[in-house]
Amino acid sequence: EVQVVESGGGLVQPGGSMRLSCEASGFTFRSHVMIWLRQAAGKGLEWISYISPSGTTRYYADSVKGRFTVSRDNAKSSLFLHMDSLRADDTAVYHCATLGDFGDFFDYWGQGTLVTVSS
Amino acid sequence: EVVMTQSPATLSVSLGERVTLSCRASHSVSSNLAWYQQKPGQVPRLVIFGAATRATGFPARFSAGGSGTEFTLTISSLQSEDVAIYYCLQYNNWPPWTFGPGTKVEVK
Repeated sequence: EVQVVESGGGLVQPGGSMRLSCEASGFTFRSHVMIWLRQAAGKGLEWISYISPSGTTRYYADSVKGRFTVSRDNAKSSLFLHMDSLRADDTAVYHCATLGDFGDFFDYWGQGTLVTVSS
Repeated sequence: EVVMTQSPATLSVSLGERVTLSCRASHSVSSNLAWYQQKPGQVPRLVIFGAATRATGFPARFSAGGSGTEFTLTISSLQSEDVAIYYCLQYNNWPPWTFGPGTKVEVK
């Protein structure tokens, strides 16, 4: 069974940093593109980053470019999101997800981890 | 960037009635369109991919169609467990991947 489990969320002050993790199981992690998305409370869904299976190609949404860095450790089937210069509008539940085997959509999502940016 | 819009924002329907949700793309996305169902407090779940292919676990009352810029998701007979927000996602021109704002389906 495919599972992705996020961790590392919590309360952080504006301007602060935080590192999220996502542990994957049930599939060949090193062969899959991995994605981060987020959803603010009562709001819609937003894609925020992409990382290729090898980690050499990364894309970011304009809203986080220059502040967030995605990385992965294929030996540990783990995905990371390092977030700097956090702002109040970064407050959201952050999900990791896999890219589909039958197209570039998101098929398996984790339950998410809540990041709250507040003083 | 492809901008996705959805209509209506909210749909109030009686149980057993037919429901049709619309999604529109600002530029053609071919058939690279997915639909997600998000129930309160839950993670989004893939309903449809490739504009018309039903994902595992969804019953035949869910169907979808369209291509280019106009897409629909239909629930032939609304059940109580179908109450949710439905989002469309384009995955033709990325990055970025872009979602519509969602349509909330509720029971009248």
